[in-house]
Amino acid sequence: QQKVQQSPESLSVPEGGMASLNCTSSDRNFQYFWWYRQHSGEGPKALMSIFSDGDKKEGRFTAHLNKASLHVSLHIRDSQPSDSALYFCAAYYGSSGNKLIFGIGTLLSVKP
Amino acid sequence: EAAVTQSPRNKVAVTGGKVTLSCNQTNNHNNMYWYRQDTGHGLRLIHYSYGAGSTEKGDIPDGYKASRPSQENFSLILELATPSQTSVYFCASGDPGQNTLYFGAGTRLSVL
Repeated sequence: QQKVQQSPESLSVPEGGMASLNCTSSDRNFQYFWWYRQHSGEGPKALMSIFSDGDKKEGRFTAHLNKASLHVSLHIRDSQPSDSALYFCAAYYGSSGNKLIFGIGTLLSVKP
Repeated sequence: EAAVTQSPRNKVAVTGGKVTLSCNQTNNHNNMYWYRQDTGHGLRLIHYSYGAGSTEKGDIPDGYKASRPSQENFSLILELATPSQTSVYFCASGDPGQNTLYFGAGTRLSVL
């Protein structure tokens, strides 16, 4: 069964700092990775997707994909208290159905 | 923004009872999904659907049934609820291969 491993499980950074989250696929036949963010009491919301090797930047958020190592990361620069949330990585494999496989999440806390 | 509405938002059920969780989407998406969220497990896929009348088993379907009577509505049914099914349940719609998934706000279910 395809799995997505996320690390760390929790992370604390100071306001204005850089947060780095990691994710690895167990299967190299992924097509996309997605990053989702979930604030307390809400449903997850999509931040960005990435499917090509290298970096993809959207504002303060940068995703980096290395297909050879099956690894994707999310970097949040100039972190704000409002970035405090649970972040999920999800992989789309395509071959196993039109569905996303999620990791366990990283709980980010940004301290003022 | 795409809208997914779940009801009820909170539910307390007794062991052995029947529970129905409802989901409605106004996005005209063909695909709909039911996930459960538990600490240490992230989001796990229970059932999904490609359109009215179709249901597919996800990764943890045991103890759950699903029903998709129309494009807009997708229900999750627990025929004989057990305490292990205490969780937060999320419905989503979308096409993860082409775009993102849109999640509802969740249903918190407690089975006593």
